[in-house]
Amino acid sequence: AQSVTQPDIHITVSEGASLELRCNYSYGATPYLFWYVQSPGQGLQLLLKYFSGDTLVQGIKGFEAEFKRSQSSFNLRKPSVHWSDAAEYFCAVESPFGNEKLTFGTGTRLTIIP
Amino acid sequence: KAGVTQTPRYLIKTRGQQVTLSCSPISGHRSVSWYQQTPGQGLQFLFEYFSETQRNKGNFPGRFSGRQFSNSRSEMNVSTLELGDSALYLCASSLASQTNTEAFFGQGTRLTVV
Repeated sequence: AQSVTQPDIHITVSEGASLELRCNYSYGATPYLFWYVQSPGQGLQLLLKYFSGDTLVQGIKGFEAEFKRSQSSFNLRKPSVHWSDAAEYFCAVESPFGNEKLTFGTGTRLTIIP
Repeated sequence: KAGVTQTPRYLIKTRGQQVTLSCSPISGHRSVSWYQQTPGQGLQFLFEYFSETQRNKGNFPGRFSGRQFSNSRSEMNVSTLELGDSALYLCASSLASQTNTEAFFGQGTRLTVV
């Protein structure tokens, strides 16, 4: 079975600082990988996804993520955060064979301080 | 293009009652998945419907059921409600083609069981 670990429950960064959110997965092959963001009381919005190919993936809102097969990781990065980036971030994996749908990590809550 | 629409947005029910939630996917999307989000368990996959057939199922009791209609709209039903069923229920739709499984989420239905 697939699983996802987000080791950081809560991260606080200053506005304008860089950000890295960690994500590790467990799966027998290379899964599909996703990062979603959720604002309070809202649904999930897809930031970026990795299916195959280039391991550095660009997403919306200036986010990027790098897939590292050797480390089973898919960390999310942003060079300079904005106050509007405060939200909860979820890493997710999905089987490329269609037999297991999205499995989410427990999420990382991001707080931005001025 | 309209997004995923979930109705109702908020619902309060009494223990022992049953409830039906509705999800209208993005036009052209044939796959609809349901997820439960709680503070304690996080985001958990309930089931996926594709072309009116349940294709994948998570680890939830039989009180949770769903169906999909020929227009791809989906309903989720929970019978004999328990306090622990209080959650945000999210629906996601996708093309579910071989090369694109990107899921688009609705804003969710917030169910409170009292």
